[in-house]
Amino acid sequence: EDQVTQSPEALRLQEGESSSLNCSYTVSGLRGLFWYRQDPGKGPEFLFTLYSAGEEKEKERLKATLTKKESFLHITAPKPEDSATYLCAVLAYSGAGSYQLTFGKGTKLSVIP
Amino acid sequence: SQTIHQWPATLVQPVGSPLSLECTVEGTSNPNLYWYRQAAGRGLQLLFYSVGIGQISSEVPQNLSASRPQDRQFILSSKKLLLSDSGFYLCAWSLGQGNQPQHFGDGTRLSIL
Repeated sequence: EDQVTQSPEALRLQEGESSSLNCSYTVSGLRGLFWYRQDPGKGPEFLFTLYSAGEEKEKERLKATLTKKESFLHITAPKPEDSATYLCAVLAYSGAGSYQLTFGKGTKLSVIP
Repeated sequence: SQTIHQWPATLVQPVGSPLSLECTVEGTSNPNLYWYRQAAGRGLQLLFYSVGIGQISSEVPQNLSASRPQDRQFILSSKKLLLSDSGFYLCAWSLGQGNQPQHFGDGTRLSIL
């Protein structure tokens, strides 16, 4: 069974304190890995897609990287407005010509001024 | 640009009452459409997906059903709600290609009394 595990479950950072969120996965036939940001009471907002090991994507203070077994979301000099839950999702081949998207449970990031 | 609308944002219903949640997408044609449920402390659970009008695939046997009467309209229904149907319901769309990201609406918070 495909699994996606995010760590830590929660992370508190001081404003400006850089850190990384982890998403590890065990799937066969990876087709893509997606990062989302979710604010309380809202739907997930798409951030990045990574398709192959070694790929990197950046957006403002966020940088996503991918290896064959995990992805990292690096947050550089975070600001309070970066506080949110960050979700990782893995798209993999599930047989019979279909694909399955599996979400992790998320990392709740709090950035303290 | 594409937008997705979900309504209502919140809903309080008595046990045994019917349900209809609606989702519409603008700015794209023939999208894949999805219904998810998100429970506290758990990942997003895929309930239904559709690749075209009248084509619905169910991922989890349950008290709910889905319909796609028009290309960009997706409806989640129930004839009789259960207490266990409470949760945060999210609609999403993606382009037809298998490895494209899904984009979410802002969800409906459903409370069953």
